[in-house]
Amino acid sequence: DAKTTQPPSMDCAEGRAANLPCNHSTISGNEYVYWYRQIHSQGPQYIIHGLKNNETNEMASLIITEDRKSSTLILPHATLRDTAVYYCIVRLMEYGNKLVFGAGTILRVKS
Amino acid sequence: NAGVMQNPRHLVRRRGQEARLRCSPMKGHSHVYWYRQLPEEGLKFMVYLQKENIIDESGMPKERFSAEFPKEGPSILRIQQVVRGDSAAYFCASSPPEDTEAFFGQGTRLTVV
Repeated sequence: DAKTTQPPSMDCAEGRAANLPCNHSTISGNEYVYWYRQIHSQGPQYIIHGLKNNETNEMASLIITEDRKSSTLILPHATLRDTAVYYCIVRLMEYGNKLVFGAGTILRVKS
Repeated sequence: NAGVMQNPRHLVRRRGQEARLRCSPMKGHSHVYWYRQLPEEGLKFMVYLQKENIIDESGMPKERFSAEFPKEGPSILRIQQVVRGDSAAYFCASSPPEDTEAFFGQGTRLTVV
């Protein structure tokens, strides 16, 4: 079962930063936070993952609170093509552990 | 480096026929996952395989469904005697041996008529 809580939907203006929150208050010390997105029935796309330090790549930034009970995915300059369902997943990075998807957040980027 | 390749992209089967879905992982990836997404629903885990081994099949229906990932060739998800309720998008993902991030294919959309 998913161990994260996300808002069901969010809107963001094109060109602005999209900040997607995720609550994972029961996360254990060796569980990572992963973010994926699914654009209109395509295959889910990996975005970023992290353990406790903030992470940044060419797609997004991941900010994890010091107590690791919540995190925020930041898309710095949202475009219309970022409209998608965003999934926050906690997972042990060890052999045999699957990704468990919840309902995610529908992000609508509007012009 | 080609991504995860799934074929066919679309598959139509009559009730009672067999469906075979193929997944070729990314180069160097030794782990494969299969997920199912029913219309207007979320992604549900089905099975996790390593070459020649099933690691976790806790999401697989008990009957009619099977999966394999042979030493050579793609991973196969096989559905025998398909029913209308099997109509869904089936996604495959692969990950490297260190099992960090998983990358998904574009899916096979199965329609049972």
